[in-house]
Amino acid sequence: GENVEQHPSTLSVQEGDSAVIKCTYSDSASNYFPWYKQELGKRPQLIIDIRSNVGEKKDQRIAVTLNKTAKHFSLHITETQPEDSAVYFCAASQGREGAQKLVFGQGTRLTINP
Amino acid sequence: GAVVSQHPSRVICKSGTSVKIECRSLDFQATTMFWYRQFPKKSLMLMATSNEGSKATYEQGVEKDKFLINHASLTLSTLTVTSAHPEDSSFYICSAELAGGWETQYFGPGTRLLVL
Repeated sequence: GENVEQHPSTLSVQEGDSAVIKCTYSDSASNYFPWYKQELGKRPQLIIDIRSNVGEKKDQRIAVTLNKTAKHFSLHITETQPEDSAVYFCAASQGREGAQKLVFGQGTRLTINP
Repeated sequence: GAVVSQHPSRVICKSGTSVKIECRSLDFQATTMFWYRQFPKKSLMLMATSNEGSKATYEQGVEKDKFLINHASLTLSTLTVTSAHPEDSSFYICSAELAGGWETQYFGPGTRLLVL
């Protein structure tokens, strides 16, 4: 089955700097890769996703890149702000179309220092 | 849009009792819902996939007789923790997949269960 590895487990950056979180996956059939942000005690919220037919996607300060050959994808947050502090999870789809599930990475605790 | 609710938000129960958790998609239909368990400072662990009108598919290691799942309609799935024990204490989160929405999952706010 699918295995998703996420690094780093913790990341601390200065406000205004960029943050990068990386994930690798094992199943070459995976075709959907979402990123979720979870604040303490709250629900995971989808912040951006990418499908395997696209190499990069951007939404304001957030971008995701996908390298299908190397089986890794990354989240990039630019001009970080204190409200970006949270735990971020990557995920990769597993299973046949119409019956897919998500396999999550271990999470990255991002702290933005003012 | 794509709002998922979960009830109750927290529950405390005695060991041996059963607890039912509801997951509802409020403004969309969800043919598939998922139930996750999350331990403190850990990732989301998929317990089962719930499809409307059919039996749930459980992940390896998850006891189907202990965690009963029912998906009676396109907007409601329930998880019943039967004969709960302290080790069942956890944060349970459901998600709903937007029908025809290309696997995008929207999460409920979670239910914190404490079994005494």
